[in-house]
Amino acid sequence: GAGVSQSPSNKVTEKGKDVELRCDPISGHTALYWYRQSLGQGLEFLIYFQGNSAPDKSGLPSDRFSAERTGGSVSTLTIQRTQQEDSAVYLCASSLLTGQSGETQYFGPGTRLLVL
Amino acid sequence: SQQGEEDPQALSIQEGENATMNCSYKTSINNLQWYRQNSGRGLVHLILIRSNEREKHSGRLRVTLDTSKKSSSLLITASRAADTASYFCATENSGYALNFGKGTSLLVTP
Repeated sequence: GAGVSQSPSNKVTEKGKDVELRCDPISGHTALYWYRQSLGQGLEFLIYFQGNSAPDKSGLPSDRFSAERTGGSVSTLTIQRTQQEDSAVYLCASSLLTGQSGETQYFGPGTRLLVL
Repeated sequence: SQQGEEDPQALSIQEGENATMNCSYKTSINNLQWYRQNSGRGLVHLILIRSNEREKHSGRLRVTLDTSKKSSSLLITASRAADTASYFCATENSGYALNFGKGTSLLVTP
């Protein structure tokens, strides 16, 4: 079946502009995660959605970052007033059950964001 | 946040040789997972080892976990050029969010 998809694949924007990144999780997966991979920083957890529960936003680096998940499926990560340090690959992942310990997270191909 | 630390940062071997990567972490975990990433894009789950397990095998992969030393190793036997990728360990201690290290870059030359 189809895996996690993300769009766009690449995004180049100017400093100060807003960007929206989209994630389509695997159908039926209730848990959705966003991570960021910056050069030299490894992968950082950003936000977690599980069903209709309030998301865990503890990893968001600033209030310029927000995310929503509509209808328990598609998620959008929005970065307002982008800065050059926001340049990174943004990865989305989903998992089947309740986000419980030991679940495999399936990752999308990522969106490579470059802020000029 | 807790992160695994992979060692070495880069590894270059020839096809047919074994590749060993190590991961150390800082606090107690529920499980530890290894992922592979090709060309800096999506990650592929390789293997998960739970905190009460010491060794696990999957095909040419062998993972060990030593919770007393807070370390894990990933062994790839009889490596192939297609194994060229970055390998990440990820620890989980809160039920969902994974804490990744910075990865080991493996190059397998024919």
